[in-house]
Amino acid sequence: AQSVTQLGSHVSVSEGALVLLRCNYSSSVPPYLFWYVQYPNQGLQLLLKYTSAATLVKGINGFEAEFKKSETSFHLTKPSAHMSDAAEYFCAVSSAPGGGNKLTFGTGTQLKVEL
Amino acid sequence: EAGVTQFPSHSVIEKGQTVTLRCDPISGHDNLYWYRRVMGKEIKFLLHFVKESKQDESGMPNNRFLAERTGGTYSTLKVQPAELEDSGVYFCASSRSPEEKLFFGSGTQLSVL
Repeated sequence: AQSVTQLGSHVSVSEGALVLLRCNYSSSVPPYLFWYVQYPNQGLQLLLKYTSAATLVKGINGFEAEFKKSETSFHLTKPSAHMSDAAEYFCAVSSAPGGGNKLTFGTGTQLKVEL
Repeated sequence: EAGVTQFPSHSVIEKGQTVTLRCDPISGHDNLYWYRRVMGKEIKFLLHFVKESKQDESGMPNNRFLAERTGGTYSTLKVQPAELEDSGVYFCASSRSPEEKLFFGSGTQLSVL
């Protein structure tokens, strides 16, 4: 069965600093991996999706994630944090054939951005 | 274009009562999903509709939960009778196909006292 583990339930960075949110996966087949973001009082929004086409995946709002098979990792990064990035971030892996939307989520990482 | 709409946004009920959550997917989205997040833990899959048919209901916790999607449009999720452990945020999401982008509603916060 596929699973993901997010390291760090809370991460705090200064505005303008690098954002690094960690996600490790476990999968018996080549995984389809996702990052979602949830802003306060909103639904989850897709940031990016890994489909094996390229190991470095660029998403919305300046975020990107790199798939590293040797490390079973799919960490999310952004070079320079903005106050508007404060939100909860979820890593997920598809449990459906072909990368469908039956997703297994991690426990989430709350990102705080400080002045 | 309207997004995925869920109603109510919050519901507070007593143990043993019945609650019905509603989800209106994006128009034209045949695929509708229910997810649940309990007590700040991970978000878990409950079930997947394709039009009015249940494609996968492997995540439904027990027979106190009943999901319907009559006519293949909106969906309801009924909990009867509700238990304390049912408290959490229930998310609905929809997509045009199972592999296309998933759009989430803002969720229903259910509190069972």
